[in-house]
Amino acid sequence: QVQLQQWGAGLSKPSETLSLTCAVYGGSFTGYYWSWIRQPPGKGLEWIGEIIHSGSTNYNPSLKSRVTISVDTSKNQFSLKLSSVTAADTAVYYCARRFPPYSNIGLRSYFDYWGQGTLVTVSS
Amino acid sequence: DIQMTQSPSSLSASVGDRVTITCRASQSISRYLNWYQQKPGKAPKLLIHAASSLQSGVPSRFSGIGSGTDFALTISTLQPEDFATYYCQQSFTTPRTFGQGTKLEIK
Repeated sequence: QVQLQQWGAGLSKPSETLSLTCAVYGGSFTGYYWSWIRQPPGKGLEWIGEIIHSGSTNYNPSLKSRVTISVDTSKNQFSLKLSSVTAADTAVYYCARRFPPYSNIGLRSYFDYWGQGTLVTVSS
Repeated sequence: DIQMTQSPSSLSASVGDRVTITCRASQSISRYLNWYQQKPGKAPKLLIHAASSLQSGVPSRFSGIGSGTDFALTISTLQPEDFATYYCQQSFTTPRTFGQGTKLEIK
């Protein structure tokens, strides 16, 4: 059974960098695209970006200038850094697996396993 | 970006009712449409992928239909555990985008 467990600081100050990590347990880490998705309080879902084991990434253009997603295959972990945060970045951040594997374009893909979510509040 | 628009934004229904939620894409996405259910404080759960394929373990009272720009999720006989928020998501292109959600409440 695949499990995603995520952690990171729950409070960031404006202009600082938000940092979260997601660990994958069970199943294969290789071949899948691993995503970050966020949800502002009371609002809908926004896809941030994704990474595969090789380090290849895809980002949402709306956040691309501020986002870095990295991977540590030795630990089956991937991480999110979002720089220059403002109050608009306050959200629950989720990590998720995109299925099927080796699907860069991802036409028939979907998010089948999710982390538990981390609320990150941006406030001074 | 492809915009996904769900209707209604909220819906009140009773246990045993049949309900339908619709999702419209701003351009054709073929059948590359997924549906998720989210309960308060929890991560979304995949219900249906590729417009009509039921995810393993999801009850058969959930069904999906559609192609091109218009899609629908139907719950045939509402159960108490179905009261939640539902989201559609397109997988036709990046950025992957979601609808704004439909909150299904108990009447």
